[in-house]
Amino acid sequence: GENVEQHPSTLSVQEGDSAVIKCTYSDSASNYFPWYKQELGKGPQLIIDIRSNVGEKKDQRIAVTLNKTAKHFSLHITETQPEDSAVYFCAANILFGTGTRLTIIP
Amino acid sequence: GAVVSQHPSRVICKSGTSVKIECRSLDFQATTMFWYRQFPKQSLMLMATSNEGSKATYEQGVEKDKFLINHASLTLSTLTVTSAHPEDSSFYICSAETPRTGNTDTQYFGPGTRLTVL
Repeated sequence: GENVEQHPSTLSVQEGDSAVIKCTYSDSASNYFPWYKQELGKGPQLIIDIRSNVGEKKDQRIAVTLNKTAKHFSLHITETQPEDSAVYFCAANILFGTGTRLTIIP
Repeated sequence: GAVVSQHPSRVICKSGTSVKIECRSLDFQATTMFWYRQFPKQSLMLMATSNEGSKATYEQGVEKDKFLINHASLTLSTLTVTSAHPEDSSFYICSAETPRTGNTDTQYFGPGTRLTVL
């Protein structure tokens, strides 16, 4: 069946450095690619999304890129801060990736 | 942004009882709501898609008679876990889709409900 792969599963970066999380999807009909941040015991929060007619989108320290041909998209967080520590999920439409636990080291 | 609430946030029940979880879109009308289940340190697993005024569409492997979904209004969907057993213990999360025509709409998630069945 269709799936979304997400890498890495865990990521630790020094405060101030950049973090990159990558996802690939299999369903070529996917047209909506959101990224969610989930803190312990809470529901996911949408942090940024991109639709298939756009290649890149940026919102302050967060950016997402989409390569439709290769069917992969990435989340980029720059100037990371301790409050960025959380689990991040990508999704292709309503199919979720497996999550990345991001830890920012002060 | 759009706000989705869930109630209760946490529930503990005895095996064999039924538990109802409510999902509400507070500041928008959601024609479609989704119910997810999440095990510890795992991703969200879509259980069912709920459309207002019609029967829910369940994902493969999800028992519709055990997980009853009702979407009676444009702002409320309920999930009832019937005859709950310890293996039903999990984090249940709903999401509501903002109205838009054409492409997949933006989903906003509720805060989740942690169900513990003793």
